[in-house]
Amino acid sequence: GEDVEQSLFLSVREGDSSVINCTYTDSSSTYLYWYKQEPGAGLQLLTYIFSNMDMKQDQRLTVLLNKKDKHLSLRIADTQTGDSAIYFCAESIEGNNAGNMLTFGGGTRLMVKP
Amino acid sequence: EPEVTQTPSHQVTQMGQEVILRCVPISNHLYFYWYRQILGQKVEFLVSFYNNEISEKSEIFDDQFSVERPDGSNFTLKIRSTKLEDSAMYFCASGTGGYEQYFGPGTRLTVT
Repeated sequence: GEDVEQSLFLSVREGDSSVINCTYTDSSSTYLYWYKQEPGAGLQLLTYIFSNMDMKQDQRLTVLLNKKDKHLSLRIADTQTGDSAIYFCAESIEGNNAGNMLTFGGGTRLMVKP
Repeated sequence: EPEVTQTPSHQVTQMGQEVILRCVPISNHLYFYWYRQILGQKVEFLVSFYNNEISEKSEIFDDQFSVERPDGSNFTLKIRSTKLEDSAMYFCASGTGGYEQYFGPGTRLTVT
């Protein structure tokens, strides 16, 4: 079955770039996502990338996809203390069923030090 | 900005009791989902719902679980006879059927 893995923890200094990595096993993944979860809050969709793309940039966020290695990364430029949260990678596979179930990684806790 | 809402934010129940978790999806969305996250574990898919029927469900979603859209706005998850291992954060999500799913803030269910 599908499996998505992430490192548990990342610590950076304010103003530096953060890179959060994710690997997945299912080569038929159609979309790959990054969600952010702040303490006590739900999962906020940050960005996503379609599997036929290599890169997507959205303001301070850059998503890189290496489909050959099944590796996804999220780069946050000029990381701020407000970026401290848990970041989840997720994949979905477009099938015949209505809607796409998401398979999540375990989440990476990003701590930003002032 | 429209958002998914869930009630209650925290539910405590005794083992064997029935619970109903409620969700109000984003109004023009047609696809609805439930996920759960046991403390310290990954977010897991439970079920997806479209056109008034279940379109996909995971192994977790056994006969103790059911979903319903009782009216035009609510989407509910019922657990008939709760077990200790049902304690988790339950997230509702909705989408238009494409690639985006928007999540609610979750309901923390504690079974004692």
